Amino acid sequence: GAVVSQHPSRVICKSGTSVKIECRSLDFQATTMFWYRQFPKQSLMLMATSNEGSKATYEQGVEKDKFLINHASLTLSTLTVTSAHPEDSSFYICSAIKDRGNIQYFGAGTRLSVL
Amino acid sequence: AQSVTQLGSHVSVSEGALVLLRCNYSSSVPPYLFWYVQYPNQGLQLLLKYTSAATLVKGINGFEAEFKKSETSFHLTKPSAHMSDAAEYFCAVSEGTSYGKLTFGQGTILTVHP
Repeated sequence: GAVVSQHPSRVICKSGTSVKIECRSLDFQATTMFWYRQFPKQSLMLMATSNEGSKATYEQGVEKDKFLINHASLTLSTLTVTSAHPEDSSFYICSAIKDRGNIQYFGAGTRLSVL
Repeated sequence: AQSVTQLGSHVSVSEGALVLLRCNYSSSVPPYLFWYVQYPNQGLQLLLKYTSAATLVKGINGFEAEFKKSETSFHLTKPSAHMSDAAEYFCAVSEGTSYGKLTFGQGTILTVHP
C-alpha cells in the first residue's frame, strides 16, 4: 500500500502562535511531498513542493517565511505556520509520491483554526 | 500551463442512475489525468488515472473515465449510483512528467438521493 499520515487532524490556536503539521509516508519513501491548502467549498491550491534534503519550492503568492517547510527525511515533511492569524485558518493537506511515480497519495488533512 | 475545468459544481442523481461528472483540461504537453474523491474532512483518495495507455480507464468502486484527446475531456462515469458515492470529486492534470505537480479542477459535489 501507500499510506500517508498527517498529524494533527485538527488544531486550534491563538493568533500569533506557530503551528507545526507533520506529514509522514508510513510504508514507502517519498522523495517528493506536496502541501496544499483548501478553503471551504473550494479546490486544492498547491502551496509548495517539498524535496528531501533540499529547500522547498513555493508557488507564486505563498509566503515562504510564513509557511516553513522542512523535508528532513524520506518519510517526513513538516509545515510550520508561523505567527498564525485568523486568515490562515484553512484545511491543509499533504501528499507524497512513491518511487518517483506519477500518483500522489494524500494525507487526511489538518483543519487549522486560528482564534 | 495546465488547467482543469469541471462543468457543474453540483450534480444530483437518484440511487441506481447513471453518474456523469464532466472534466475538460488544457495542457501544452500530453497530460496525465486523475480523478480523486474527497469525503468530508478527509484527504483525497485516487479513483483512477490516465497515463497515456488505454483511453478507457477503470477505477475503484465501479467508476471509469474515458480520455478523449479531440475533445480534451476526461469525464467520469458510473453506471449505477450508490448512496455511498455521495462525496466531492476532483479532476486533476499533471503535465506529462512522471512526478509533476497537480492542478485541480474546482470540484463537483455529487449528491445521491433515494
